[in-house]
Amino acid sequence: DAGVIQSPRHEVTEMGQEVTLRCKPISGHDYLFWYRQTMMRGLELLIYFNNNVPIDDSGMPEDRFSAKMPNASFSTLKIQPSEPRDSAVYFCASSSEGLSYEQYFGPGTRLTVT
Amino acid sequence: AQSVAQPEDQVKVAEGNPLTVKCTYSVSGNPYLFWYVQYPNRGLQFLLKYITGDNLVKGSYGFEAEFNKSQTSFHLKKPSALVSDSALYFCAVRDFHFLEGGKLIFGQGTELSVKP
Repeated sequence: DAGVIQSPRHEVTEMGQEVTLRCKPISGHDYLFWYRQTMMRGLELLIYFNNNVPIDDSGMPEDRFSAKMPNASFSTLKIQPSEPRDSAVYFCASSSEGLSYEQYFGPGTRLTVT
Repeated sequence: AQSVAQPEDQVKVAEGNPLTVKCTYSVSGNPYLFWYVQYPNRGLQFLLKYITGDNLVKGSYGFEAEFNKSQTSFHLKKPSALVSDSALYFCAVRDFHFLEGGKLIFGQGTELSVKP
């Protein structure tokens, strides 16, 4: 398996623009997680899905952030409108109960909002 | 509430010396414990986990961790450190929230620096 795939790897955008991050989990995994990592705040869980259903979105910073998982092989995290404080590395991870919930992380998307 | 703590922000050791990265946890029920490593500009990478069984768990790259129930600890160890072990290390515990237990709670991370 290719592992968790994220795109784009780098994104530079201007404040106010819409940003869409994409994730393809490992085939067969039924959990998908979106994290954000910054120097100041460390690693934060934004939202996670089980069988394509959002379970906990309490970590989503505000209404500007939204996430979807239309099917088992694809998820998006959207920021609209983007702000400079959204600059961070965004990770997607997937797991399954059969693996005792061990998570596999993607390479991340480095987002810079100017 | 479930939680995990890494009491040291940074650990420095000399190459060839043993290393320990500390982790303590608080959970209700039997803990599922994990260690991850993050190299610069990379995603987190699984090292090892404790679910049940032997208290000494062996993982990737020569790392091991000891589960200590009485001290609620799960310290990461390696007998002989390499410069290439320098990275950010995260401890995590499974969050048994209601009937949904797929989430992991991560510690804040410990930066390991191994000097030649």
